[in-house]
Amino acid sequence: EAGVTQSPTHLIKTRGQQATLRCSPISGHTSVYWYQQALGLGLQFLLWYDEGEERNRGNFPPRFSGRQFPNYSSELNVNALELEDSALYLCASSSGQGATDTQYFGPGTRLTVL
Amino acid sequence: TQLLEQSPQFLSIQEGENLTVYCNSSSVFSSLQWYRQEPGEGPVLLVTVVTGGEVKKLKRLTFQFGDARKDSSLHITAAQPGDTGLYLCAGALGGAQKLVFGQGTRLTINP
Repeated sequence: EAGVTQSPTHLIKTRGQQATLRCSPISGHTSVYWYQQALGLGLQFLLWYDEGEERNRGNFPPRFSGRQFPNYSSELNVNALELEDSALYLCASSSGQGATDTQYFGPGTRLTVL
Repeated sequence: TQLLEQSPQFLSIQEGENLTVYCNSSSVFSSLQWYRQEPGEGPVLLVTVVTGGEVKKLKRLTFQFGDARKDSSLHITAAQPGDTGLYLCAGALGGAQKLVFGQGTRLTINP
């Protein structure tokens, strides 16, 4: 069974540009989570989508947004990129069965903002 | 302020030694998960603990969830170089459906 996939693997942008990151969950999973892992800061929760709707949002500015498609894949958009947005962006999926549900992570997209 | 405090942040020991990593919080979690992350990859789930006082064993790794579900520990017996990596604990806040991660413990096992 295929795991969570993310694309692209690496993304290089300049300050002020927009970045779009993509995630495909494990087959059968309806929930998708996005996390930011900046150097030395650990994983910070960004967004949670379930059944096509945004269910929860972390403490990030509105220029971080996303959506979930009918096939449960998801997109994370970061507008007006800033240097501090450089990080590994991780997507995770779960079956959405409850608070104890296990999240499985993809390999991440390394975003570099110059 | 970090909701989940993980310690130590760095640990370098010799092959064959034992070690314990701690994950502490003032919050109560509905479950707690331990992940291991290799450079350039996403975290890989090791275990999920749900019940207060629960102990789970995975070969040489022993995971314990505190009675009050506020803390957890990971104990590795007879560490091997293959255990090297970043170990992350993550707590699920009941009803919030989001994981709160500790800062991670970067473990290096020297041959």
